Amino acid sequence: GIQVEQSPPDLILQEGANSTLRCNFSDSVNNLQWFHQNPWGQLINLFYIPSGTKQNGRLSATTVATERYSLLYISSSQTTDSGVYFCAVEDRGTYKYIFGTGTRLKVLA
Amino acid sequence: NAGVTQTPKFQVLKTGQSMTLQCAQDMNHNSMYWYRQDPGMGLRLIYYSASEGTTDKGEVPNGYNVSRLNKREFSLRLESAAPSQTSVYFCASRSRLAGYNEQFFGPGTRLTVL
Repeated sequence: GIQVEQSPPDLILQEGANSTLRCNFSDSVNNLQWFHQNPWGQLINLFYIPSGTKQNGRLSATTVATERYSLLYISSSQTTDSGVYFCAVEDRGTYKYIFGTGTRLKVLA
Repeated sequence: NAGVTQTPKFQVLKTGQSMTLQCAQDMNHNSMYWYRQDPGMGLRLIYYSASEGTTDKGEVPNGYNVSRLNKREFSLRLESAAPSQTSVYFCASRSRLAGYNEQFFGPGTRLTVL
């Protein structure tokens, strides 16, 4: 099955810093999503991005499907950005979604 | 729209007890999913239902059964709970319309098996 790897596993930033999170996947995928799991455990949709680039405020994402990776950019980080960021990919033809192991982000005031 | 709802929010079971976790969505989505998340880990797919009337195993199906009751509802049953099933369980749903098929998650059920 598809393998999904995220890096870095842990990240500590000062408020106002920028960061890039990476998601690599081992095979072609139909869909890719980025989620933020806040400290209360809620999973929040950030981007649905099987290919191309999208932006939403301070966050943006790029997926290069042919090279099997996606990047999530966080600019001017805030303490409320803390939590775990997951990417998830859909295995082609099966409707199964496979999650990466996540990047745990802590933003210090 | 309530989105994806799950009941109960919390549950404590003794080893060997059974229970059913309920999930419902009001977004007219075709596909529904059950995941578990162990502490400090990512989400692992237990079972999914690509459309009403179908169910398939995910990565970790052992010890669980599912029922796609209708288009809105997808339940997860633990027949004989074990401490290894202590976890947070998330339900998700997804449309299959091209360009609109992102997953949406419920709030989760925190299950402890003693």
